[in-house]
Amino acid sequence: KQEVTQIPAALSVPEGENLVLNCSFTDSAIYNLQWFRQDPGKGLTSLLLIQSSQREQTSGRLNASLDKSSGRSTLYIAASQPGDSATYLCAVWGGSEKLVFGKGTKLTVNP
Amino acid sequence: GAGVSQTPSNKVTEKGKYVELRCDPISGHTALYWYRQSLGQGPEFLIYFQGTGAADDSGLPNDRFFAVRPEGSVSTLKIQRTERGDSAVYLCASSLGPSQETQYFGPGTRLLVL
Repeated sequence: KQEVTQIPAALSVPEGENLVLNCSFTDSAIYNLQWFRQDPGKGLTSLLLIQSSQREQTSGRLNASLDKSSGRSTLYIAASQPGDSATYLCAVWGGSEKLVFGKGTKLTVNP
Repeated sequence: GAGVSQTPSNKVTEKGKYVELRCDPISGHTALYWYRQSLGQGPEFLIYFQGTGAADDSGLPNDRFFAVRPEGSVSTLKIQRTERGDSAVYLCASSLGPSQETQYFGPGTRLLVL
C-alpha cells in the first residue's frame, strides 16, 4: 500500500527566504506526482504535476523535482512571500485512478 | 471557465440523518473523484467515476456511503444514518480523462454531524 510522508509538518520562515518542502513515498511505481496548495477553509489548487518520466517542473518561483528511485520529491519556493502561506500537499498517482496524499506541510511566511 | 463547484458549502446535521452532497465538475471532464479530508490530514480517496459508472469505489468506508453520476456530469454523494465520525470536508475533483491527468478540486463541503 502506497504511503506518502511530508516533512516538516509545519515551517515558519521570514519573507524573502528560499525554502524546500519534502515528500517521500513508499512505492516507486508511480505514474506522476502532483503538488497542491490549500488555503484555510478552501479546496486544493494544483501547483505542479510531474510525470514519472520527468525529473522536474517549474512554474514561476516554484520548482518541483522527482526522484522515483529514491521515492522522493521536493518543492522549492524561491524568495518566499507572505502570500505563500498555506498548506502544501503532495500526492502520487500509482496505477489506480486515485491520488494518495500526504498530510501536508503548513507554511507560514512572516513579513 | 467555471471550475468545480460543490453544494452546500456547509452542512450541519444530526446523528442518524441522511445527507446528500452535490458536485458539478468542469464541463467536458469525464473523470470525477470524491475525497474526504479530516482535520489535519490529507484527502483520502472515496470513489472514482469514469462517465456514468463507478470505476473504483474501494475507498467508500462502508455501505452507508453511496454515490451516483447518472448522466455523466453532476455527481451526488449520499450518506445514510450519519455518524459523528463522518464529520469532515468532502472534496470533489474532476479531470479531462483518466490516468495522469491533473485533477481540479472544488472548494469542498464541510459536514458536521452533531
